[in-house]
Amino acid sequence: SSELTQDPAVSVALGQTVRVTCQGDSLRSFYASWYQQKPGQAPVLVMYGENNRPSGIPDRFSGSSSGNTASLTITGTQAEDEADYYCNSRDSSGLYVFGTGTKVTVL
Amino acid sequence: QVQLVQSGAEVKKPGSSVKVSCKASGGTFSTYAFSWVRQAPGQGLEWMGGIIPLLATLSYSQKFQGRVTITTDESTSTSYMELSSLRSEDTAVYYCARRGDGSLHFDHWGQGTLVTVSS
Repeated sequence: SSELTQDPAVSVALGQTVRVTCQGDSLRSFYASWYQQKPGQAPVLVMYGENNRPSGIPDRFSGSSSGNTASLTITGTQAEDEADYYCNSRDSSGLYVFGTGTKVTVL
Repeated sequence: QVQLVQSGAEVKKPGSSVKVSCKASGGTFSTYAFSWVRQAPGQGLEWMGGIIPLLATLSYSQKFQGRVTITTDESTSTSYMELSSLRSEDTAVYYCARRGDGSLHFDHWGQGTLVTVSS
C-alpha cells in the first residue's frame, strides 16, 4: 500500500509563515487533502484539491502540490493554528492513506 | 446542516467483536461514501476502509482485511463498522468520515467512539 510521509514536528513564531509537507508516490496522481486535529477533537478538513478551502477555513491556509509532494502553508500563523496536521490521499487501487502527521507548535 | 453522530464508548474483551454506528443527517445518504478511520492513543490517523452505498462498493485497508466489516442501512442513514478478533492494540478512537462521491476528501467527521480492549 502507498505511504505518505510528513515531518513529525515544526515550530513557527506567531504571525509568521509555516509550511507542512507531505511526500508520497500517490501524490503524483491524486491531490492531497489536509486535516487539522486539536487535542481531544475530531479532525477537521482545512484544504482539498488543487487549493480549495472549505467554508469557514481562514484564507491564511493555502495548498500546493508538485511532483510527489503536497504542501499546506499557513501565512500569518495564529495561536489557534497550533494542532496536528494530517495529509490524506487515495492510491491507484482506490484505497486511502493518511500521512504520518505533523505537530505544529506556535511560539 | 450535516451531522455524523456515532454510538457511545465500548469496553470489550480480547477476542470479541465491536460494532460502531454512525448516523448521518443532512444531505442524501446514498450519494456519499463513508470511511472509517481510527486513532490509537497518542498515534496518528489510520484509514480502515470505506463504502459507497449507491454502488455497494467496499474497500478495506490490507491491514484490516478479514477483520473489519463496513455496512450501511439506508433506511436509517447509518453506517456501521464491525471489527472482530479484538486485541489490546485495537484500543483506539474510531471515527466515521463522509466523502462526496467522486471527491477525494472527507468533509464531515463523526465525534469519535472510544473502543477499549481489555481483559
